Amino acid sequence: DVKVTQSSRYLVKRTGEKVFLECVQDMDHENMFWYRQDPGLGLRLIYFSYDVKMKEKGDIPEGYSVSREKKERFSLILESASTNQTSMYLCASSLSTDYEQYFGPGTRLTVT
Amino acid sequence: GEDVEQSLFLSVREGDSSVINCTYTDSSSTYLYWYKQEPGAGLQLLTYIFSNMDMKQDQRLTVLLNKKDKHLSLRIADTQTGDSAIYFCAESSGYSTLTFGKGTMLLVSP
Repeated sequence: DVKVTQSSRYLVKRTGEKVFLECVQDMDHENMFWYRQDPGLGLRLIYFSYDVKMKEKGDIPEGYSVSREKKERFSLILESASTNQTSMYLCASSLSTDYEQYFGPGTRLTVT
Repeated sequence: GEDVEQSLFLSVREGDSSVINCTYTDSSSTYLYWYKQEPGAGLQLLTYIFSNMDMKQDQRLTVLLNKKDKHLSLRIADTQTGDSAIYFCAESSGYSTLTFGKGTMLLVSP
């Protein structure tokens, strides 16, 4: 079974803090993704990566950056957290960009 | 760009069948997926169908695809309270990432 883990289930940060969300997958998948999920808006793609050190912007990259130094790990960075970044963050991985994606349990981030 | 639409809410009684519908716009879709999200959890892949198929059955789940109308449905037979969740439809077209619908919340009452 594919396993995607995320570093925290719940996180509370203050406005202006730098925030790191980490995601690890154990299936040697090439592709990894970061989404945020908000009520009424569904899933919105922030960034994805198709290889180590490679990244592509998704639909809403502003205010975020990512890092992929190892194949199994994909980090989402909020350089200066703001209250409008309070959300559920979901990480996913897949063998190819158009194949089924496997999701982690999510991190519920609250920025106060 | 591609778009995937779903109704937002469906309420059924335990033991009834549930039908969740989805429409998509990309005529070059290759795979279509159904995911389930339970409260506070990530998305779990339920089933998928390849675009050259009309139907796929997997235990209580039946997926129907009408490629001409770009319409996908998920039927859950004998719906149980444990089926209460948000169901997402997603499509892929072979050259891009998946496009997800906004999700349908299924509420099953005893």
